[in-house]
This record gives sequence, structure tokens and C-alpha cells, in this order.
Amino acid sequence: DTGVSQDPRHKITKRGQNVTFRCDPISEHNRLYWYRQTLGQGPEFLTYFQNEAQLEKSRLLSDRFSAERPKGSFSTLEIQRTEQGDSAMYLCASRSLAPSSYEQYFGPGTRLTVT
Amino acid sequence: AQSVTQLGSHVSVSEGALVLLRCNYSSSVPPYLFWYVQYPNQGLQLLLKYTTGATLVKGINGFEAEFKKSETSFHLTKPSAHMSDAAEYFCAVSNSGGSNYKLTFGKGTLLTVNP
Repeated sequence: DTGVSQDPRHKITKRGQNVTFRCDPISEHNRLYWYRQTLGQGPEFLTYFQNEAQLEKSRLLSDRFSAERPKGSFSTLEIQRTEQGDSAMYLCASRSLAPSSYEQYFGPGTRLTVT
Repeated sequence: AQSVTQLGSHVSVSEGALVLLRCNYSSSVPPYLFWYVQYPNQGLQLLLKYTTGATLVKGINGFEAEFKKSETSFHLTKPSAHMSDAAEYFCAVSNSGGSNYKLTFGKGTLLTVNP
């Protein structure tokens, strides 16, 4: 169990550029979640997957955001035409579907700065 | 809908003093409750959780929390603060009656520990 990993850890981009983040969950964790955390706030839910199926998306996830989990393992989060308001920490978490396993395990996050 | 309120965005204690971080939740169904800790530029680490059963739950690093349904509270305590406890703490609620188990977080409480 190597934990949840995210890449890159930091990303600086210019407004209007596209960015993509990657998350590798704990192996055999069926559920994968994306959250966004802005300065001084708690994380906010963006979307989640069960295996390769994206089952729910928050209204926070505008059309410029897309997430995939093509083989039910790693996931990518893409932001198109970035805006300064997209600057935040993007957190990935995974969870087992085992009975009584309710907690989510978080990765270190990707900090995005849009200039 | 569910929500979390953390009273006090910043709590300062002396080393060796009692730590008390307050959390109140709102949930239309029995909640699952969590406390996470976040160190600077890192992801979230689970401290403890309440799902069912005993209302006093013990976690890592000497922390514990008590679920009080009548008060809709889940306050976090530690008898004696250490310098290494300085971090941001987030209370979160998950819907036990749903299927997504997404987390709704409070805004966090920054704990500083003075020597």
C-alpha cells in the first residue's frame, strides 16, 4: 500500500492554457474522488468514480473541467482555458468498497496557480 | 443536504494544554463523521472517524472525539498539546444514507501550539 499519489505537485500556468492532473489511487480502491480546496477553505467535492464510471459531478465542475478514469485505475482531471479563479489545490482521494470501510485516503494534492 | 460548522478558525494553545476543536454538523440522516489533519502543502490525513457504535472514538496521535447526537456535535480533543500538533484540522460529514459517500468539510481550524 503506497498511498494515493498525484502528479504534478505544483503547476503554474498562464490564463487560457489547458492543464491536466493525474491521480493514482491506492491499488484495488474502487472509488476515486476529486476535491478542490481554495485558500482558507475546506475541500469541496468535484466528482467521483466507481471503477471507470463517473457517477456524480458537482455544479462546481464547469464545462471547462473534465475527468476520466479510463481503466478504473488512475484518473486525470483536465481544465481547459484556465482562469485565475481556478487557482487552488486539487486533491484526489480513494476509498475501498469493503464493508465498514468509510474513510477516504487523500493524496498530497496538486497546487495550481493561474497567472 | 449536509453541512459542517467549525467554530473558531484559529485556536492557540500552550504546549501541554488541552486541545478542543469544535465541530457541529447538519445531516438529514445518521451521519458518518471524520476529523482530518492537514500540514502545510500536504494532503489530508485521517485522525479518526465515527460511523456507528461507541460514541467516543479514539484516533491517532492521542486525539479523540465524541459524537453527541442531541447536540449535533463531534468535537475533537487532546489532553496535552505537542508542538507537532500545529496544523489545520478539518471536520467532515458523509451521508450514510446515500451511495456516493462524498465528504462535506468545514472551513477548518488552524491550531497553533506555543512553547
